[in-house]
Amino acid sequence: EAGVAQSPRYKIIEKRQSVAFWCNPISGHATLYWYQQILGQGPKLLIQFQNNGVVDDSQLPKDRFSAERLKGVDSTLKIQPAKLEDSAVYLCASSLDRVGGPSYEQYFGPGTRLTVT
Amino acid sequence: QKEVEQDPGPLSVPEGAIVSLNCTYSNSAFQYFMWYRQYSRKGPELLMYTYSSGNKEDGRFTAQVDKSSKYISLFIRDSQPSDSATYLCAMEGTSYDKVIFGPGTSLSVIP
Repeated sequence: EAGVAQSPRYKIIEKRQSVAFWCNPISGHATLYWYQQILGQGPKLLIQFQNNGVVDDSQLPKDRFSAERLKGVDSTLKIQPAKLEDSAVYLCASSLDRVGGPSYEQYFGPGTRLTVT
Repeated sequence: QKEVEQDPGPLSVPEGAIVSLNCTYSNSAFQYFMWYRQYSRKGPELLMYTYSSGNKEDGRFTAQVDKSSKYISLFIRDSQPSDSATYLCAMEGTSYDKVIFGPGTSLSVIP
């Protein structure tokens, strides 16, 4: 079974530039998550999709971050404009349809390491 | 007070040692408790999960949850160099609550 795919793996940009990350979840997984992991910290949920609808985006800085999941499969996360504090690893994860249940069995991709200079 | 706290380490042990990793939390609504392992430059992978209080064993790994003390533990027996990684505790409530991760403990098992 193929895992969660993410690209690019690394990205270096200057502050105020824009950047986009792509995620392809495991086939058949209805729930998709984007996390931000700052060095030395645990992953923090940015946004959660159930199929192509947003379930939770309470911690997404909406003035600069946006995400979409077209057709309930692939997803993109965009930052515009980037700030120095956005330097982090952006992780995508997927899980089977929660349907009001727990989401403990999340499968993570390798992440995109973003450096903002 | 942070929702989930974890000693960041680093923790260094000799091969074959018993390792104890711990987390404390403040939200009594948490019902599901997980341990993830994260190798360097990789995404986290689920090791074990436990619902509510109690113990769960899987091979060399044992997870314990004490909800009355808001304290969870992961024990690794006969530790191996391949266990060297960062261990993240995580927890969530019911329904569509988000998963909250601890900051992780870095473990090195020395051959």
